[in-house]
Amino acid sequence: DAGVTQSPTHLIKTRGQQVTLRCSPKSGHDTVSWYQQALGQGPQFIFQYYEEEERQRGNFPDRFSGHQFPNYSSELNVNALLLGDSALYLCASSFRTGSKNIQYFGAGTRLSVL
Amino acid sequence: SQKIEQNSEALNIQEGKTATLTCNYTNYSPAYLQWYRQDPGRGPVFLLLIRENEKEKRKERLKVTFDTTLKQSLFHITASQPADSATYLCALDRRGSTLGRLYFGRGTQLTVWP
Repeated sequence: DAGVTQSPTHLIKTRGQQVTLRCSPKSGHDTVSWYQQALGQGPQFIFQYYEEEERQRGNFPDRFSGHQFPNYSSELNVNALLLGDSALYLCASSFRTGSKNIQYFGAGTRLSVL
Repeated sequence: SQKIEQNSEALNIQEGKTATLTCNYTNYSPAYLQWYRQDPGRGPVFLLLIRENEKEKRKERLKVTFDTTLKQSLFHITASQPADSATYLCALDRRGSTLGRLYFGRGTQLTVWP
């Protein structure tokens, strides 16, 4: 049973560029959340997708957008990259109607903005 | 403002001792509190969940307590081993809205030395 998979593992971009990160949820999960983790900090919630719609959003600008596909996989897009966007981007999946909000995380994508 | 504080950035203990990690929160009313383990370059891995109406939860060498009056959770690892060395994150789940985001502390880095 494959867990949460993310691609790519590492990415280097320059300021102003755009980036797309991808996530495949754990088998049987229908909800995908994205988190940003800066060095030495805890993960910060970006947004969550369920039934191909954004259901919740954290305090992130509109430069951060996403998508969920019918197979539950998801993409995170970041436009007009800033140096401060350098971080580990984590995808987490869960089962919507589960009684416990336990998140299963991927290994993350390390984004460096130069 | 809302805040989650974990007792210290780093905790160093000797093998065989009990590690105690603290998570304090303000201006939250969590329905659940979760603890995750994160190894370098990896995503967080779920360890334990405790509900607001539970005082204590155990799993093998792990124990978590939850005091909603003090707004504090304690996480204990008994008979610690070098393999327990990692960063431990506490996360609050503000259930009451839709299933979704977790609010993370910045984590405590635990090192267990032989």
